[in-house]
Amino acid sequence: DIQMTQSPSSLSASVGDRVTITCQASQDISNYLNWYQQKPGKAPKLLIYDASNLETGVPSRFSGSGSGTDFTFTISSLQPEDIATYYCQQYDNLYTFGQGTKLEIK
Amino acid sequence: QVQLQESGPGLVKPSQTLSLTCTVSGGSISSGGYYWSWIRQHPGKGLEWIGYIYYSGSTYYNPSLKSRVTISVDTSKNQFSLKLSSVTAADTAVYYCAREGVTGTTHWFDPWGQGTLVTVSS
Repeated sequence: DIQMTQSPSSLSASVGDRVTITCQASQDISNYLNWYQQKPGKAPKLLIYDASNLETGVPSRFSGSGSGTDFTFTISSLQPEDIATYYCQQYDNLYTFGQGTKLEIK
Repeated sequence: QVQLQESGPGLVKPSQTLSLTCTVSGGSISSGGYYWSWIRQHPGKGLEWIGYIYYSGSTYYNPSLKSRVTISVDTSKNQFSLKLSSVTAADTAVYYCAREGVTGTTHWFDPWGQGTLVTVSS
């Protein structure tokens, strides 16, 4: 199994802050990584695929980077509507998700 | 716009079989090009992929659940279903159905159903 480790598990930031979440794979997964946003009581929503490609309709303040085992998800300027839990997900070998990062407004 | 909706009992007794159905609207399962997955989320925890089915009926399951999982498809009703046998409290979770898109080597889950909470309890 490929394990995905996200950090931090929770994060508090102010509106307008730059926010960064990291995701580490237990083995090389190339760029086979997606990022999802899950708001309370809702289903996850795809934000980024192939580690760095923005899904259509997703605001450009969201971005992703990385390859191999280390990946980064960034919100360039945090907005109130970005309060959610964010998950990374690998698809190199079946599918596994990170444990999530809960983002709160300070 | 494709939408998915889960349905089924919200309460299942231990040792029994959990059965859920996902109804797809706005698109046809039979059109191909997509896989149809079940994913679950334990209360307050992360996400676990359960398995997928293609419209032809071919399936692939998470090895950790494979012995207890059956996913089937009914193209005439535009539905696919999940059966999980011999359930325990550890199977209590929100169950989501989702469409898996595939282009070349890229895979993604979108859209998802709203999710349905299944509690295993006597």
